[in-house]
Amino acid sequence: EPEVTQTPSHQVTQMGQEVILRCVPISNHLYFYWYRQILGQKVEFLVSFYNNEISEKSEIFDDQFSVERPDGSNFTLKIRSTKLEDSAMYFCASRQGLNYGYTFGSGTRLTVV
Amino acid sequence: KNEVEQSPQNLTAQEGEFITINCSYSVGISALHWLQQHPGGGIVSLFMLSSGKKKHGRLIATINIQEKHSSLHITASHPRDSAVYICAVRSAIQGAQKLVFGQGTRLTINP
Repeated sequence: EPEVTQTPSHQVTQMGQEVILRCVPISNHLYFYWYRQILGQKVEFLVSFYNNEISEKSEIFDDQFSVERPDGSNFTLKIRSTKLEDSAMYFCASRQGLNYGYTFGSGTRLTVV
Repeated sequence: KNEVEQSPQNLTAQEGEFITINCSYSVGISALHWLQQHPGGGIVSLFMLSSGKKKHGRLIATINIQEKHSSLHITASHPRDSAVYICAVRSAIQGAQKLVFGQGTRLTINP
């Protein structure tokens, strides 16, 4: 079964550092998403990406965040200057179309110290 | 504001019992998703519903659009069903992409 692959599985970074979280969505999927889950809380939407541009973003997704699909296979989330409150599990997801289900990656646990 | 509420928050049952998890939401939706999250954190999609009922193995999902309510049922529950079950909805507003998640229901099935 096709998978969404996320790397790394766990990243520890110092406050103020830049991090890039990487995702390889399923190859024929057209819609891409980043979600995050702070420990003990609900999963929250960050951003959706379609046709090489952001289609929707949440209030969380401020100027410190950016997404890219640089080469047609990878989908990255960059946090420019990490804060302690960015510590969370970050999930990438993709789907073939709006009437299809989502496939989630296994997540990247980001710890900011 | 689109709210998604699940009940119960925690559920412990014996192997073989019939399980029901409920989800209520506050706005018109284009689709509702049931997801499973295991202790390691990974999320697996179980169902996507916009009307009626779907069945996959021992899992059944139903939705009542008029009442803004969905249920997930597990028949003949097994310890391997132990996980967090999450309901998430996509708004019917044109162009809406995001899923809004419930807080999850932690299910524990004892042997």
